[in-house]
Amino acid sequence: ETGVTQTPRHLVMGMTNKKSLKCEQHLGHNAMYWYKQSAKKPLELMFVYNFKEQTENNSVPSRFSPECPNSSHLFLHLHTLQPEDSALYLCASSQGHGATNEKLFFGSGTQLSVL
Amino acid sequence: KNEVEQSPQNLTAQEGEFITINCSYSVGISALHWLQQHPGGGIVSLFMLSSGKKKHGRLIATINIQEKHSSLHITASHPRDSAVYICAVGGGGADGLTFGKGTHLIIQP
Repeated sequence: ETGVTQTPRHLVMGMTNKKSLKCEQHLGHNAMYWYKQSAKKPLELMFVYNFKEQTENNSVPSRFSPECPNSSHLFLHLHTLQPEDSALYLCASSQGHGATNEKLFFGSGTQLSVL
Repeated sequence: KNEVEQSPQNLTAQEGEFITINCSYSVGISALHWLQQHPGGGIVSLFMLSSGKKKHGRLIATINIQEKHSSLHITASHPRDSAVYICAVGGGGADGLTFGKGTHLIIQP
């Protein structure tokens, strides 16, 4: 148990659906992240939030919309996705300001399939 | 942009063997991370290091800043060590880590 909880674990959606991924951390951390892991590709950073403020948007298409209402919760809203968006989406948190020399705590991920 | 190369990509070994996984990067960094990913997706941070060597149980991580190289060693390997091991590097700012593709390790009983 890493202290970071993601729901749902699995999600199948059509290209016209709207769905949301949820992440909650119980560690008192200040920074939260969304990562994408596609088959046979390295992890890719999507978004970073530092004290609820978005500090990094790694050129992610607008069909992915993050929301961070407070330091403990992070959402990823999905709409009109494409089949190539099928991947494992991982949430993580860290104690500091989102710098790369902070230890990361990951959730178990949401395996997304877009039909 | 940093380039991270891991080797080997796949490794199968017998229980009890000493395991070494390597990571090389192209640009100077402030921190290197070793992560473990089990089937099912969840990732656990094993080490974060910027110099020297760290040890935790049967795991040892080393880094050579001059050579831009790090190794992860597993002593007395066990089937429960079977996982994907991922190396990631960062420059210290908030521009995100660069990840390797991972090393898929299988330890057979």
